Amino acid sequence: TAGITQAPTSQILAAGRSMTLRCTQDMRHNAMYWYRQDLGLGLRLIHYSNTAGTTGKGEVPDGYSVSRANTDDFPLTLASAVPSQTSVYFCASSDGGQGAESPLHFGNGTRLTVT
Amino acid sequence: GQNIDQPTEMTATEGAIVQINCTYQTSGFNGLFWYQQHAGEAPTFLSYNVLDGLEEKGRFSSFLSRSKGYSYLLLKELQMKDSASYLCAVSDSNYQLIWGAGTKLIIKP
Repeated sequence: TAGITQAPTSQILAAGRSMTLRCTQDMRHNAMYWYRQDLGLGLRLIHYSNTAGTTGKGEVPDGYSVSRANTDDFPLTLASAVPSQTSVYFCASSDGGQGAESPLHFGNGTRLTVT
Repeated sequence: GQNIDQPTEMTATEGAIVQINCTYQTSGFNGLFWYQQHAGEAPTFLSYNVLDGLEEKGRFSSFLSRSKGYSYLLLKELQMKDSASYLCAVSDSNYQLIWGAGTKLIIKP
């Protein structure tokens, strides 16, 4: 089934440790995004990539880094996790630019707890 | 600042109609999206409005008034499976998506 795959589904991570959240899509979408979703808040954009080889900072980029070596993969790395990074992380893709008339397709999310 | 407002929670009865409102203040406007998100799952696209008026898609309709900074999602013939959160998102002048916190809709039999 075509779509976006995220891994892991959930993770408990000790503060100070690093971790990479994986995201792969098979729809050949140019644009990919990482969001975090916290209770009572709207989705917040962490980083995005409009096309392979380029990335940009979103609303809440501090403590996170991304790379886009090819069209399909868009990993998100936490270099040194802190408890405030406890959240549900969603990867998404679209076939147009941000907010263009092309909806986002989301992965199933990674639930991360930093202790 | 940019802001999207939606009610936090609404309750409705199976078979009835419910309207979920969304008001926005953004720097520019390039369209408004509605997404549905069941608990523990990913958001899924429902509708997109960029011109004023009503867009109908089966049991779901979405309305936009750009002059009022206002949209609503109308759900008819409610079913138990419609219990979910409904997210409103606006594309601003830079095509950045600004998200509301979502409206949790509870359907009672």
